[in-house]
Amino acid sequence: SQELEQSPQSLIVQEGKNLTINCTSSKTLYGLYWYKQKYGEGLIFLMMLQKGGEEKSHEKITAKLDEKKQQSSLHITASQPSHAGIYLCGAESSGGSYIPTFGRGTSLIVHP
Amino acid sequence: KAGVTQTPRYLIKTRGQQVTLSCSPISGHRSVSWYQQTPGQGLQFLFEYFSETQRNKGNFPGRFSGRQFSNSRSEMNVSTLELGDSALYLCASSLRQGVPFDTQYFGPGTRLTVL
Repeated sequence: SQELEQSPQSLIVQEGKNLTINCTSSKTLYGLYWYKQKYGEGLIFLMMLQKGGEEKSHEKITAKLDEKKQQSSLHITASQPSHAGIYLCGAESSGGSYIPTFGRGTSLIVHP
Repeated sequence: KAGVTQTPRYLIKTRGQQVTLSCSPISGHRSVSWYQQTPGQGLQFLFEYFSETQRNKGNFPGRFSGRQFSNSRSEMNVSTLELGDSALYLCASSLRQGVPFDTQYFGPGTRLTVL
């Protein structure tokens, strides 16, 4: 089965700093989701990447998919306290079974 | 459009009991998936329902079951509760089933505590 490893596990930054979260897959990535979760709550969809080299941005969050490296990165520019939460990457295993798999998450704290 | 709703939000049960959780998908969405989230295992896929049929299933014991009604609302049941079943149970809905990367929209979750 496909495994997704996120790094770092946790991140504490000062407001205004840039940061990057990585998600690496054990198998070929055909596409990937990024979600944000407030502690103990549901997941909020951020963006979906489907093609190698694809890059998408939403407000100050940019995500990119590198098929060759089987990796995706999420970059936050000029972080704000509202960016705090747990960021999870997710993908669906290939082979037609469509079983979703998620990384363990990266916990982000932004100090004002 | 209203989002995915889950009831109840919090639940406390004792070992050996059974529990039923409910999920109402976004209007028009026909696929409902259930997940279990724990600090130890992270977010794990339980099963997916579409048109009242279970389409995909994760690696969980038979104590975990579900169903979907004709209005796409879904329920999940856990029988003979164990301490390890304490978790946040999340429901997600999407428009279609079996389509790679059809975006899933998650509910707020039901926090189950087993004593």
